Amino acid sequence: AQKVTQAQTEISVVEKEDVTLDCVYETRDTTYYLFWYKQPPSGELVFLIRRNSFDEQNEISGRYSWNFQKSTSSFNFTITASQVVDSAVYFCALSGAGARQLTFGSGTQLTVLP
Amino acid sequence: KAGVTQTPRYLIKTRGQQVTLSCSPISGHRSVSWYQQTPGQGLQFLFEYFSETQRNKGNFPGRFSGRQFSNSRSEMNVSTLELGDSALYLCASSLIGGNNEQFFGPGTRLTVL
Repeated sequence: AQKVTQAQTEISVVEKEDVTLDCVYETRDTTYYLFWYKQPPSGELVFLIRRNSFDEQNEISGRYSWNFQKSTSSFNFTITASQVVDSAVYFCALSGAGARQLTFGSGTQLTVLP
Repeated sequence: KAGVTQTPRYLIKTRGQQVTLSCSPISGHRSVSWYQQTPGQGLQFLFEYFSETQRNKGNFPGRFSGRQFSNSRSEMNVSTLELGDSALYLCASSLIGGNNEQFFGPGTRLTVL
């Protein structure tokens, strides 16, 4: 069975602070995919990134960066110089090879205060 | 390119009724998946369709069903509604082949009274 754990239920930071959202996963698959989605108050899930299990390179996209470590089964997400518009619920998700079914974590509510 | 669209956006029903939700995927996407989001259970996978066939199903009772049409549009149906079916129902579409990312629609907010 697959499982995704986001231990941080809520995080509150002041604008311009850096913030890291943690994600720990469990899977028996040797090939799998990890995702991060953002859910603003409007409700739509916005795709942020996909990472394959065989690619442990970290990735940076503007103020966003992701740290994937297979040794600790973690896929953490850092927002640098946070902004009020970053306030949302962030979900980490996992899927096995050949399947599009996503297993989601419980989400982290990020609030960025002005 | 237009995103995933879902109709209706909001729905209020009473217990025992049935409901049909609709999803139009991104043009060219042939896979459609449905998810239920509730405060208690979070985001849970319902089922996936492509080529008009259900390919995968989550752990939900038979009251939850779906179908896909030849143009890849999909509908899901919930019969004999229960209070616990109140949720945000999200539809996602993706390309076929490999683990392509899924793109989500805005959801249908169902309230069962």
